[in-house]
Amino acid sequence: AQKVTQAQTEISVVEKEDVTLDCVYETRDTTYYLFWYKQPPSGELVFLIRRNSFDEQNEISGRYSWNFQKSTSSFNFTITASQVVDSAVYFCALSVPNTNAGKSTFGDGTTLTVKP
Amino acid sequence: DVKVTQSSRYLVKRTGEKVFLECVQDMDHENMFWYRQDPGLGLRLIYFSYDVKMKEKGDIPEGYSVSREKKERFSLILESASTNQTSMYLCASRPIGGAWGSPLHFGNGTRLTVT
Repeated sequence: AQKVTQAQTEISVVEKEDVTLDCVYETRDTTYYLFWYKQPPSGELVFLIRRNSFDEQNEISGRYSWNFQKSTSSFNFTITASQVVDSAVYFCALSVPNTNAGKSTFGDGTTLTVKP
Repeated sequence: DVKVTQSSRYLVKRTGEKVFLECVQDMDHENMFWYRQDPGLGLRLIYFSYDVKMKEKGDIPEGYSVSREKKERFSLILESASTNQTSMYLCASRPIGGAWGSPLHFGNGTRLTVT
């Protein structure tokens, strides 16, 4: 069975601070994908990034960066110089092969509040 | 851009009613999913469909059924609504072919209250 743990339920920072959201996953599959999604107050989850299990290269996109480490089964997400618009619930998800359709397992989410 | 549309943003129903939640996607995706989101529990998969008329149970299917008569539409049915089904319901879709590696596209959600 798969499991995704986001230990931080809520994080509050002041604008311009850096913040890291933690994600730890469990799976016996050697091939899998990891995702981060953002859910702003409007409710619609938006895809941010995907990583497959064979690609441990870290990625940076503007103020966002992701650190994937198979040795610790972690896929952490860092926002540099946070802004109020970053306030949202962030979900980490794991997808493994399935006979008919890939099933994604989600963490419980981390609510990030960025104060001005 | 992929558009996933859920017919209702807010819904209030009475205990025992039969409830239909509708979801339509416009990108010809084979796979469609229904999740429910509850505080502290993240997203939990109720049912998913990998093709027209094909469905598979997710992690919490009890009390729910689904229908997929057309590729673009995936309906979630609460046969007899109960108060513990008060929740946010999220529909998602994604294409087949490396399906498990493709990101999900979500609708805005339906907040259902059962009184």
